[in-house]
Amino acid sequence: DADVTQTPRNRITKTGKRIMLECSQTKGHDRMYWYRQDPGLGLRLIYYSFDVKDINKGEISDGYSVSRQAQAKFSLSLESAIPNQTALYFCATSDVPGELFFGEGSRLTVL
Amino acid sequence: AQSVTQLGSHVSVSEGALVLLRCNYSSSVPPYLFWYVQYPNQGLQLLLKYTSAATLVKGINGFEAEFKKSETSFHLTKPSAHMSDAAEYFCAVSDLSNFGNEKLTFGTGTRLTIIP
Repeated sequence: DADVTQTPRNRITKTGKRIMLECSQTKGHDRMYWYRQDPGLGLRLIYYSFDVKDINKGEISDGYSVSRQAQAKFSLSLESAIPNQTALYFCATSDVPGELFFGEGSRLTVL
Repeated sequence: AQSVTQLGSHVSVSEGALVLLRCNYSSSVPPYLFWYVQYPNQGLQLLLKYTSAATLVKGINGFEAEFKKSETSFHLTKPSAHMSDAAEYFCAVSDLSNFGNEKLTFGTGTRLTIIP
């Protein structure tokens, strides 16, 4: 089983729908991150959390929210999805600064 | 603010040839630098990191990178390319001196193609 698991792996939805992407980890790390990957833009940080009570905005948090339900779970929500949120989303964890362990990604398409 | 610039979004090399992927950084404080690799349909994985100990850093799968402060560069090299090296490579920078606020900033990536 993967150390960092993302669900769903693929999702197609319509504009205006609420979407939740879930991430769970078995590595026991306190730090968790959500990144978005777009072709030609690399990865951009959406939100990050250094422990259960700590949530921080990244560089592109507008239109997104997160919940850290437990040390092992960190979910990303799009309250009202729009087409330019179509992207590949990655969850990552770490216990050593800079050394991230990534999930396999959740591909989201907003029509 | 910190940033990295990867020169060349696509690089093609022949199998057995030298691999050179370029990364230049911008940082107002001593940087910590990383290379990550993303194989098709997978997440990223750490290839190697520089955290001020040694300027020549060796990573997995025969890759290495050299930190050159005078050139603000951290280029990734491998002496002999293998077909399995085909992937996308990302350079990243972090201000780890800002303890408690460590975040990685990624470059835009370089897709490496290996020609048989």
